[in-house]
Order: sequence, then structure tokens, then C-alpha cells
Amino acid sequence: DAGVTQSPTHLIKTRGQQVTLRCSPKSGHDTVSWYQQALGQGPQFIFQYYEEEERQRGNFPDRFSGHQFPNYSSELNVNALLLGDSALYLCASRPGHSGNTIYFGEGSWLTVV
Amino acid sequence: QKEVEQDPGPLSVPEGAIVSLNCTYSNSAFQYFMWYRQYSRKGPELLMYTYSSGNKEDGRFTAQVDKSSKYISLFIRDSQPSDSATYLCAIGETGANNLFFGTGTRLTVIP
Repeated sequence: DAGVTQSPTHLIKTRGQQVTLRCSPKSGHDTVSWYQQALGQGPQFIFQYYEEEERQRGNFPDRFSGHQFPNYSSELNVNALLLGDSALYLCASRPGHSGNTIYFGEGSWLTVV
Repeated sequence: QKEVEQDPGPLSVPEGAIVSLNCTYSNSAFQYFMWYRQYSRKGPELLMYTYSSGNKEDGRFTAQVDKSSKYISLFIRDSQPSDSATYLCAIGETGANNLFFGTGTRLTVIP
């Protein structure tokens, strides 16, 4: 049973560019959340997708957007990258829209130079 | 005021010691309490999950929640070098779609 899988694992982008990160949830999970974890900090909630719609959003600017596909996989897009966007981006999934037990992937390390 | 406060450590203990990790939170609406373990450059791994006050035990790990004090703890008995990692507390409201995380406590168990 595959867990949450994310791609790419590492990437380097230039300030001002755009990036797309991808996530496949754990089998049987239909709700996907994205978190940003800066170095030395805990993860911070970006947004959550369920039934292909954004259901809740954290305190992140509109440069951060996402999408969920019919197979429950998800993408995180970040436009106009800033140096401060350098972080580990974590995808988490859970079964159903209720409950709070979420399972994380290994993350995508983004470095903005 | 941050939703969750956690002492970042670092914390170093000898092998076999009992480790106590703690978090405080500000909002009494929080109902779900979790502890995650994160190894260097890896994603967080769920260790313990509880939604009520009291203790929950799983092997060498015990999670404790005191809702009246808004205080949660994780105890690790007979600590092992393989327990060396960052431990994150996470808290959520009932039915909420997002979790609030502490900054994490970095633990090193010395053989």
C-alpha cells in the first residue's frame, strides 16, 4: 500500500519563476492538504482540497494556488517566486472530509535563488 | 499569540532515559491532539493521536492531554538512539481542515 507520494523531491528555481509540485494521496484517501515548512519551523497550513474544490485556506497569498484531479491527486502552484518561498512543501492526505488524522508525504524541497 | 507553543530544545538525553516533550495551546476549541516524529529532511510521521483528556499509551510512547491547562505532553520511555529526531505537536479543532503545529523539539539520544 503506497503512502503519500510527492514529486519532485528537490528543485531549484529562480526568483520570479513559477513552480508546480505534485502529490498522490494514500490509497483510499480523498482529501489532500498542503503545508509549507520553513527550516527550523513547524509545518504551516496552505490549503485543503476535497471533491476537487478548495475547502479551506491558510494565511497564504494568492500566488499559491492548487488543484485536485478526479483521481484525488493534487498540484500546488506557486507564482512569482520569492526567496522566502524556499521551504519543504508537504502534502498530506486523509480519508474523508472529517477527522484530523492526516498522513504526510516526504515533501518537495524548493530552493529559490 | 501563536496557537501552539513548543520548546524547540535542543534536548539531549542518554540512552534509556525517560523523555518529556511538551506543548501549550491557546484556544479551548481545539479538540484533536497529535504528535509527529520527523527525521532530518523527511516528512512528519504520525506517532500518537488523541481527542480527549487523559493518557494514551502505545508501546514506549505515552501521550497526555490536560484540556483544563491547555497542555499536552509526549513521554518516551527507555529512549533509544533511533528516537533521535524532531518531535512536532499538532492540534486541530473538531471537524477543522487544518492543523496547527508547534515549532518542533529536536531530540538527541546519546548511546
